Amino acid sequence: GQQVMQIPQYQHVQEGEDFTTYCNSSTTLSNIQWYKQRPGGHPVFLIQLVKSGEVKKQKRLTFQFGEAKKNSSLHITATQTTDVGTYFCAADYKLSFGAGTTVTVRA
Amino acid sequence: NAGVMQNPRHLVRRRGQEARLRCSPMKGHSHVYWYRQLPEEGLKFMVYLQKENIIDESGMPKERFSAEFPKEGPSILRIQQVVRGDSAAYFCASSPLQGRRNTGELFFGEGSRLTVL
Repeated sequence: GQQVMQIPQYQHVQEGEDFTTYCNSSTTLSNIQWYKQRPGGHPVFLIQLVKSGEVKKQKRLTFQFGEAKKNSSLHITATQTTDVGTYFCAADYKLSFGAGTTVTVRA
Repeated sequence: NAGVMQNPRHLVRRRGQEARLRCSPMKGHSHVYWYRQLPEEGLKFMVYLQKENIIDESGMPKERFSAEFPKEGPSILRIQQVVRGDSAAYFCASSPLQGRRNTGELFFGEGSRLTVL
C-alpha cells in the first residue's frame, strides 16, 4: 500500500529558531494533510494541500506541496514552546499517516 | 456541538478478554476511521466505515479484530482474545465528505487507551 515517509523523526529546536519537516511519497498524491498531536493528546487538523506547488501559510507555519505532488514540507519560523508536539502528514483518501516528526523546544 | 466522542477513554483487560471501543462521530458525519497508535509511533490506519458498510478494512488484522458502524448507534471496534501487543491508543476520526479521492478534514476523538495485562 501507499506510504508516506517523514523526516526527521525527531527535531530538537532552540526557541526562536526555524525548522522544516518533510513528507515524501513514492507515488503521486491527490492531496496531503497535516496534523499536530500534542503530547498525550489527539491529532488536530492543520491544513490540506491539493494543488501542485501550492503554498499555504498559517502565522508562523508555511506548508508546501511539491510540483510533482509527491512531497510536502512544513516550515515553522521563530519556534515557540507551544509548537511542541508531533506533526504528521497524511495522504489521500484513507489518510496514510507518516510516522511523524516529534518536536521539542529548548527555552 | 459535540466533537467525536470515544469511550471508554481508558480500558484495562487481561489477556484473553474482549475489548469493545465505541466512537460516536460528529453530528452530520457519516464516515468513520479507526487508527491505532503505539507509544512513540505514528497512526496506523485500520478501517474506514460508512453507515452499515465497511469501505476499507485493509489495515485490520485478519483475526480477532472487527469493526461495525450500524445504522443506529456508535461505531464499535471489537478486539477478541486480547494479547499484550494490542495495548495501544485507538483513535476514531470522522469526516463529512464522501468520495474516495478526498476525505476532507478528519476530526479525531480523544482516543481509547487499551492496556492488556
